[in-house]
Amino acid sequence: DVKVTQSSRYLVKRTGEKVFLECVQDMDHENMFWYRQDPGLGLRLIYFSYDVKMKEKGDIPEGYSVSREKKERFSLILESASTNQTSMYLCASSFHTSYEQYFGPGTRLTVT
Amino acid sequence: GEDVEQSLFLSVREGDSSVINCTYTDSSSTYLYWYKQEPGAGLQLLTYIFSNMDMKQDQRLTVLLNKKDKHLSLRIADTQTGDSAIYFCAEKTSGTYKYIFGTGTRLKVLA
Repeated sequence: DVKVTQSSRYLVKRTGEKVFLECVQDMDHENMFWYRQDPGLGLRLIYFSYDVKMKEKGDIPEGYSVSREKKERFSLILESASTNQTSMYLCASSFHTSYEQYFGPGTRLTVT
Repeated sequence: GEDVEQSLFLSVREGDSSVINCTYTDSSSTYLYWYKQEPGAGLQLLTYIFSNMDMKQDQRLTVLLNKKDKHLSLRIADTQTGDSAIYFCAEKTSGTYKYIFGTGTRLKVLA
């Protein structure tokens, strides 16, 4: 069974704090993704990584950065959290040639 | 740019069929997906269809694709309360990494 895990289910942070969201997959997938999910907007891609140390910006990268030092781990970093980054964050992974993405359970981040 | 649209809400009675609709704009879409998201959980792939297919059936689920109108639908037969969730339509073009998701349709099943 493919497993994608995220470090926290719920997180509350203050404005201006640096926030790390961690994602780990156990299936040796090359591709990893970070999305945010907001009501009425669906899923929007923040960043994508297709290999270790490789990353590409998605549709809404502003205010975020990512790190992929190991194949199984993809981190999303909010350098200085703001209230408009309050959202559900979803991590996903897939093989290069696969049509299917596997999702983690999500982290609900609240920035106060 | 590419866009995927869905209605936001659908309410059905237990035992009835549910039909969730989706339209997309990218004519080069190769794969079209339906995902289910239960409360507090991530997305789970329900089914998918290749763009060269018209229909796919998988137990209670039937996917219909009208490529000319760029319209995708998911029919759930004999809808149960456990089917209450948000359903996302998504598309992907072969050779790209990007998945385009719709806004999600919240299905409420009334007992």
